[in-house]
Amino acid sequence: DAMVIQNPRYQVTQFGKPVTLSCSQTLNHNVMYWYQQKSSQAPKLLFHYYDKDFNNEADTPDNFQSRRPNTSFCFLDIRSPGLGDAAMYLCATSRDWTGGAAAFFGQGTRLTVV
Amino acid sequence: AQSVTQLGSHVSVSEGALVLLRCNYSSSVPPYLFWYVQYPNQGLQLLLKYTSAATLVKGINGFEAEFKKSETSFHLTKPSAHMSDAAEYFCAVSDRGSQGNLIFGKGTKLSVKP
Repeated sequence: DAMVIQNPRYQVTQFGKPVTLSCSQTLNHNVMYWYQQKSSQAPKLLFHYYDKDFNNEADTPDNFQSRRPNTSFCFLDIRSPGLGDAAMYLCATSRDWTGGAAAFFGQGTRLTVV
Repeated sequence: AQSVTQLGSHVSVSEGALVLLRCNYSSSVPPYLFWYVQYPNQGLQLLLKYTSAATLVKGINGFEAEFKKSETSFHLTKPSAHMSDAAEYFCAVSDRGSQGNLIFGKGTKLSVKP
């Protein structure tokens, strides 16, 4: 089945130690998103790629970076994780960047910072 | 700015009872509207979406939602709750003629009692 796959499902990292989360998709969608979801909160968009064009949300901290080396893969890099960065990180894709295109989500990576 | 309000952070129903989860949007122009479901430690799964065709939208797992422009609402219903429906439900909106950034409500946690 075509899908969005995130690895790992659970990640524990040390305070200040860089960590990378990965996402791959077999849907061949143009757009890939990274959302941050803290406990009992709605998902919050960090950034998205339309093809290779990167779009950062205005309030996304500089500590968060992303790479999309090809259509299928996208990475979230957290350069110096703080305790406040502990959250579920959700990758999603959509066919295009129009309002009606539904987003398809991966199962998420739960990040713990110790 | 576009926003969506979900009334009731927690709804509890008995198995077999009607499920009604409320969602109101703020926009002078009807947006695109979505309902997503999230099971514990999972990503978000699309239940249904409204993009301007029929105002009554049928989704997966027996859910449906009705778009009511006069009430700026897009409430989610299911005639008969099942134990497996226990999850968190997110209403989301994106603008027409604009880019596909999904704005999520704060979510409603549905509990189903035997």
